[in-house]
Amino acid sequence: NAGVTQTPKFQVLKTGQSMTLQCAQDMNHEYMSWYRQDPGMGLRLIHYSVGAGITDQGEVPNGYNVSRSTTEDFPLRLLSAAPSQTSVYFCASSEMNTEAFFGQGTRLTVV
Amino acid sequence: RKEVEQDPGPFNVPEGATVAFNCTYSNSASQSFFWYRQDCRKEPKLLMSVYSSGNEDGRFTAQLNRASQYISLLIRDSKLSDSATYLCVTNSGNTPLVFGKGTRLSVIA
Repeated sequence: NAGVTQTPKFQVLKTGQSMTLQCAQDMNHEYMSWYRQDPGMGLRLIHYSVGAGITDQGEVPNGYNVSRSTTEDFPLRLLSAAPSQTSVYFCASSEMNTEAFFGQGTRLTVV
Repeated sequence: RKEVEQDPGPFNVPEGATVAFNCTYSNSASQSFFWYRQDCRKEPKLLMSVYSSGNEDGRFTAQLNRASQYISLLIRDSKLSDSATYLCVTNSGNTPLVFGKGTRLSVIA
């Protein structure tokens, strides 16, 4: 029962570095999303996808890229890390109008 | 205006108490409603879906009022293990779930 798998769980980056957060799901869900969670801000949507080859921006997309080449995978790329991107990142998957399943999160610190 | 609004709390209640949370949503086209629970430094997990007729799961009761656009969660006989943040969540069609900022509950012995 893997569900949604996120890697890495922890990461420290220097300002200006790039990296990719990985997300994979084995439930054949069409919908996948990336959120960031900061103290007092709740979960904010970064990017989402409603199927392979289709992505769209959420509330806070700047500084992040995504792609969805397969149903299973939805990586999030940080192009040039900034301290403002220090956060906890969650990937989620679901079918339309149903509950979302979350990965365990990635705690990212940018110094 | 935030799409989903919740009182952040914290709600500090003794064991055995009944506590209620409310949440309002602004999108009248919202179709699905959920309550999620999030423990400190963990991912959110579904507590229960919310149906138009209201629904109950053990000590938890959820209600939906479409006319007033609010959702409620009632927890009876609170346990220490109920201490968490409770997230109100809505969804409208072909878009991802929209989360409230959460209401923090602390159940005290």
